[in-house]
Amino acid sequence: DAGVTQSPTHLIKTRGQHVTLRCSPISGHKSVSWYQQVLGQGPQFIFQYYEKEERGRGNFPDRFSARQFPNYSSELNVNALLLGDSALYLCASSLASGQGGQPQHFGDGTRLSIL
Amino acid sequence: AQSVAQPEDQVNVAEGNPLTVKCTYSVSGNPYLFWYVQYPNRGLQFLLKYITGDNLVKGSYGFEAEFNKSQTSFHLKKPSALVSDSALYFCAVRGLNNNNDMRFGAGTRLTVKP
Repeated sequence: DAGVTQSPTHLIKTRGQHVTLRCSPISGHKSVSWYQQVLGQGPQFIFQYYEKEERGRGNFPDRFSARQFPNYSSELNVNALLLGDSALYLCASSLASGQGGQPQHFGDGTRLSIL
Repeated sequence: AQSVAQPEDQVNVAEGNPLTVKCTYSVSGNPYLFWYVQYPNRGLQFLLKYITGDNLVKGSYGFEAEFNKSQTSFHLKKPSALVSDSALYFCAVRGLNNNNDMRFGAGTRLTVKP
């Protein structure tokens, strides 16, 4: 079975632009979470979606938004890009929400560079 | 709010020696604790988790972790390190009342030398 897939793998944008990152969860997984990993740091939680509804939000500005589709895939959108948005964006999926003991399974991420 | 701390930025061990990567946590109530490993240009791979039960948890690739409630620690261990274990290791915690927010430590870079 395929793991979590993310696209694109790399992306270069300039300040002020917007970007859309995509994620397909493991088959059967209904929960998708997004994380930002800045170089040298651990992943920081951005959003969690389950059954197309937002179930959790981290401490990120409103420039960050996301959505989940009926097939459980997800998009992360970032508007008005800043240099500080340069990071590896990770998507993770799990079977369900509300079951904190479930591990999350991560994709290889999208490396976003802002010039 | 829950948090984890990984006090060592880097751990160096010789191949064949035991390894320990340290993690302490802070959470209200009982925690869900996880270890993940990250290889260069890759996402995080799940190694093991503690939910409840035995304090010694066994995971993938020969790794294990010991949950110590009194010391609020969850150290990752392996009896005999391999060069291929060299990677970035992350400890993570979820609080019992906050299932949707997993907090990660800053990571520990493990280097195993031949």
